[in-house]
Amino acid sequence: DAGVTQSPTHLIKTRGQQVTLRCSPKSGHDTVSWYQQALGQEPQFIFQYYEEEERQRGNFPDRFSGHQFPNYSSELNVNALLLGDSALYLCASSSQGRRRNQPQHFGDGTRLSIL
Amino acid sequence: SQKIEQNSEALNIQEGKTATLTCNYTNYSPAYLQWYRQDPGRGPVFLLLIRENEKEKRKERLKVTFDTTLKQSLFHITASQPADSATYLCALFLRNSGNTPLVFGKGTRLSVIA
Repeated sequence: DAGVTQSPTHLIKTRGQQVTLRCSPKSGHDTVSWYQQALGQEPQFIFQYYEEEERQRGNFPDRFSGHQFPNYSSELNVNALLLGDSALYLCASSSQGRRRNQPQHFGDGTRLSIL
Repeated sequence: SQKIEQNSEALNIQEGKTATLTCNYTNYSPAYLQWYRQDPGRGPVFLLLIRENEKEKRKERLKVTFDTTLKQSLFHITASQPADSATYLCALFLRNSGNTPLVFGKGTRLSVIA
């Protein structure tokens, strides 16, 4: 049973570019959350998708956007990249439905470096 | 202001001893609290969840306590092993959170020395 898978594992971009990160949730999970983890810091919540809609959003600018597909997989898009966007981007899935208080199953992330 | 503090950035203990990690929070009203383990370059792995009306939870060598009066959770690893070396994160699930349902502490890096 595959857990949460993310692609790519590493990515290097330059300032001003755009990037798309992908996530496949654990089998049976319907909810996907995205987190940003800067080096040496804790994960920070970006947003959560359920039933193909953004359900909650953290304090991130509109440059960060996402999408969830009918098969529950998800994408995170970041436009106009800044040096400060360099981080590990984590995807987490859960089987929440209307219950939001379930443990998160994390992937190993995409390491994004901005030059 | 709201914050979550984990007792120290790093904790070194000898193999076989009990490791105790602390998570304190202020100005939050969590519905429950979770503990995760994170290894370098990997995503966090869920360990235990404890609800606000529970005092203690156990799983194998792990034990978590939750005191909503003290606004504190303690995480214990008994008979610690070098393989337990990792960063341990506490996370609060917030009731009526508005925009951020799960808030993490900065973590404690545990090193178990053989």
